[in-house]
Amino acid sequence: VQLQESGPGLVKPSQTLSLSCTVSGASVSSGNYYWNWIRQPAGKGLEWIGLIYTFGATGYNPSLKNRVSISLDTSRNQVSLRLTSVTAADTAVYFCAREGRYTTSPQYSWFDPWGQGTLVTVSS
Amino acid sequence: DLQLTQSPSALSASLGDRISITCRASQGISNYLNWYQQKAGRAPTLLIYAAVNLQGGVPSRFSASGSGTDFTLTIRSLQPEDFATYYCQQSHSTPWTFGQGTKVEIK
Repeated sequence: VQLQESGPGLVKPSQTLSLSCTVSGASVSSGNYYWNWIRQPAGKGLEWIGLIYTFGATGYNPSLKNRVSISLDTSRNQVSLRLTSVTAADTAVYFCAREGRYTTSPQYSWFDPWGQGTLVTVSS
Repeated sequence: DLQLTQSPSALSASLGDRISITCRASQGISNYLNWYQQKAGRAPTLLIYAAVNLQGGVPSRFSASGSGTDFTLTIRSLQPEDFATYYCQQSHSTPWTFGQGTKVEIK
């Protein structure tokens, strides 16, 4: 399974950041998997953005309030991220990652694999 | 949010050394703890899942222990390719969170 992020590398402040994660070797619409977005500002740690389940349920980091949405494009086998009203604080490398979970309790989960990441800079 | 605190933040070690990195959770998380390795300019890769389970393909010199609030990642006999930053991550409750990272450098 391989994941590849794509999208504009430069976004203006107050605009919307849109990224895609193309999945190969697996279907985004089947299996007990969750598809996640995670970001990392330069020289800093990892921040979880949100996830979408195979059947469409979503969950987001409250720190991003109502600015984030994640969706599936099953025809293209992609996972999409939209982040509105961006500021310089949103400048980061954005990763997509598949989250596997045990199907029975306890439902441990983990991120594997990850995409290579894509740098998004917010600047005018 | 559930906080994870790693220690140390950085360490210097020599080839062949045995090192340990600690991750402490702000509340009990059973075994809902994973470890990742990140090399410069690369995406993180999974080393350990569910606190103690070695991911397939990861060398056996990596091991981990812990449950509840205190967890440890150990690397026995450091190799050149092990110099990297290591992160713990909890999957007990959303939002999923990561430790701040531990950078392992060559002494």
